[in-house]
Amino acid sequence: AQSVTQPDIHITVSEGASLELRCNYSYGATPYLFWYVQSPGQGLQLLLKYFSGDTLVQGIKGFEAEFKRSQSSFNLRKPSVHWSDAAEYFCAVTTTSGTYKYIFGTGTRLKVLA
Amino acid sequence: DAGVIQSPRHEVTEMGQEVTLRCKPISGHNSLFWYRQTMMRGLELLIYFNNNVPIDDSGMPEDRFSAKMPNASFSTLKIQPSEPRDSAVYFCASTRTGVGSSSYNEQFFGPGTRLTVL
Repeated sequence: AQSVTQPDIHITVSEGASLELRCNYSYGATPYLFWYVQSPGQGLQLLLKYFSGDTLVQGIKGFEAEFKRSQSSFNLRKPSVHWSDAAEYFCAVTTTSGTYKYIFGTGTRLKVLA
Repeated sequence: DAGVIQSPRHEVTEMGQEVTLRCKPISGHNSLFWYRQTMMRGLELLIYFNNNVPIDDSGMPEDRFSAKMPNASFSTLKIQPSEPRDSAVYFCASTRTGVGSSSYNEQFFGPGTRLTVL
């Protein structure tokens, strides 16, 4: 069955520290992969996406993610976290053909300590 | 571009009342998705349309829920009768679907409608 797993429900980091949020997927077809961020009371905003090509993708707000096919992972990273990065982060996958449904992970809530 | 527009932003109603949520997708997008988000269940896909046709409504919780897309620029999600367990944030998202372009398949989300059923 198709699935996306975000193993960390909550993560707390200090401002200025590095961040890595994990995402693993199970998908039979060639995946399109996404990371979205949701600030409190807001909708979801796209951070970055991977369709093909370079497996290291750059996004907005200084985020990047690396697609590792062998590990079925698409982890999100940021070298230095800012207090404004506190939010919930969702990983999602969809297929390159056929249905356009997204499969979302359960989200990781990031807390940033001053 | 105005983005995906949802109305109302907040809705408070009493159990048993009919609730209608509205969504205007981004112009040129041909797929529209309705999601529900709760603390307990996270983000759930309720239904999605492609070219105004419902493709998959397997996420619609029960017959009290219905959705329509009469044209490419408007969709509604209706709950009748509403129940307290329907309280959630409902998101609409749209995208332009296809193969072979990196701009396809990225879903754009509206700000959501926070529904409270008393």
